[in-house]
Amino acid sequence: DIVMTQSPDSLAVSLGERATIYCRSSQSVFYSSNSKDYLSWFQQKPGQPPKLLIYWASTRDSGVPDRFSGSGSGTDFTLTISSLQAEDVAVYYCQQYYSIPHTFGQGTKVEIK
Amino acid sequence: QVHLVASGGGVIQPGTSLRVACAASGFTFASHALHWVRQGPDKGLEWVALISSDGGTAYYAASLKGRFTVSRDNSKDTLFLQMNSLTTEDTATYYCVRDVGSGGSGWYYDYWGQGTLVTVSS
Repeated sequence: DIVMTQSPDSLAVSLGERATIYCRSSQSVFYSSNSKDYLSWFQQKPGQPPKLLIYWASTRDSGVPDRFSGSGSGTDFTLTISSLQAEDVAVYYCQQYYSIPHTFGQGTKVEIK
Repeated sequence: QVHLVASGGGVIQPGTSLRVACAASGFTFASHALHWVRQGPDKGLEWVALISSDGGTAYYAASLKGRFTVSRDNSKDTLFLQMNSLTTEDTATYYCVRDVGSGGSGWYYDYWGQGTLVTVSS
């Protein structure tokens, strides 16, 4: 199984400041035949199901604010919130869909400082 | 608008069985693979199972040890998860999730239902 490890487990950022979350996979999730990284990011607010933010490591889903961006390739990935808003308080998960079983990171809790 | 409405959860005793369902609407059900993902109380996300769009192929998390079976009825736009020999470790909210693709080993997940809570307790 591919193990996904996120860091940090939690972070507190001031409103308007940048938040950066890291995700590392135990093996590459880059598929050379189509040059895509099989990596998604989800946001989960309390009492709600997760919501897709980013897929193919860097493609924002429809309607996702452009302050959210994903980067990285192979085994190392980053989710950046360029200017944290109050509504961004949530737990963020990375996930690989390169191989079965699809696996998630443990989650990173983002709070307001 | 895509809707995935899970039902059938509740409080059940260890060792018993339960079937949860997910009714879909707002999209061509038979064109999409579907997943079950669970989340224990105050825990992270755990992938449970994937079923292809035609129901012909299914994959499971190894930790389930063959106790769960995923199925679908494309004539009724409904996804199922049959869970047997339940233990307290299976206590979780079970989400049905749409895959953007139709099969293979799955692609990314674009819609999640609200989930149904299964509590295994004596």
